Amino acid sequence: NAGVTQTPKFRVLKTGQSMTLLCAQDMNHEYMYWYRQDPGMGLRLIHYSVGEGTTAKGEVPDGYNVSRLKKQNFLLGLESAAPSQTSVYFCASSHRVEQPQHFGDGTRLSIL
Amino acid sequence: AQSVSQHNHHVILSEAASLELGCNYSYGGTVNLFWYVQYPGQHLQLLLKYFSGDPLVKGIKGFEAEFIKSKFSFNLRKPSVQWSDTAEYFCAVNLNTGFQKLVFGTGTRLLVSP
Repeated sequence: NAGVTQTPKFRVLKTGQSMTLLCAQDMNHEYMYWYRQDPGMGLRLIHYSVGEGTTAKGEVPDGYNVSRLKKQNFLLGLESAAPSQTSVYFCASSHRVEQPQHFGDGTRLSIL
Repeated sequence: AQSVSQHNHHVILSEAASLELGCNYSYGGTVNLFWYVQYPGQHLQLLLKYFSGDPLVKGIKGFEAEFIKSKFSFNLRKPSVQWSDTAEYFCAVNLNTGFQKLVFGTGTRLLVSP
């Protein structure tokens, strides 16, 4: 079972470049989430989606955009990357909001 | 605002020692509680969860946690740790009403020496 798959696993960008992180889940989950993980700060929610075609802001949404055109995919975009966005990004999904979330393996993103 | 505190940022233990990691949350309503573990280089995995019922919950790999409502706590315990328990442990809480985001603690990094 693939579960939650994130691509790419690693990426280095220059300041001002744009990129899209892809998250795909094969569990037919309604809810999907994007987090960033920074040392000493745990995981912070960037954006989330409660179903196909819906998105909402989380705790730290600035500088990011998301789309959920298909139920199984949740894309995270950086329009103009900044060094402050250097982080490890995790995607997660869950069947219902109160159910445990299933996490992907993460994307390590460095912005120079 | 809802918050989760993990007071132990780094814990170092020898194999066979007992473990207790603290977790406190700030919300007084009905909550769902989770402990996740992140092994080096891996993604987060669920250790155990509490929704309702018996406040002492047992998870995978010999871990357990006790929900003490009066103390707003959900501490993680293991009687005898192993080298393979070296990982980062995250407590997480969400409210049991409507859509409430999962709030994570800052994590506790556990190092178990053989």
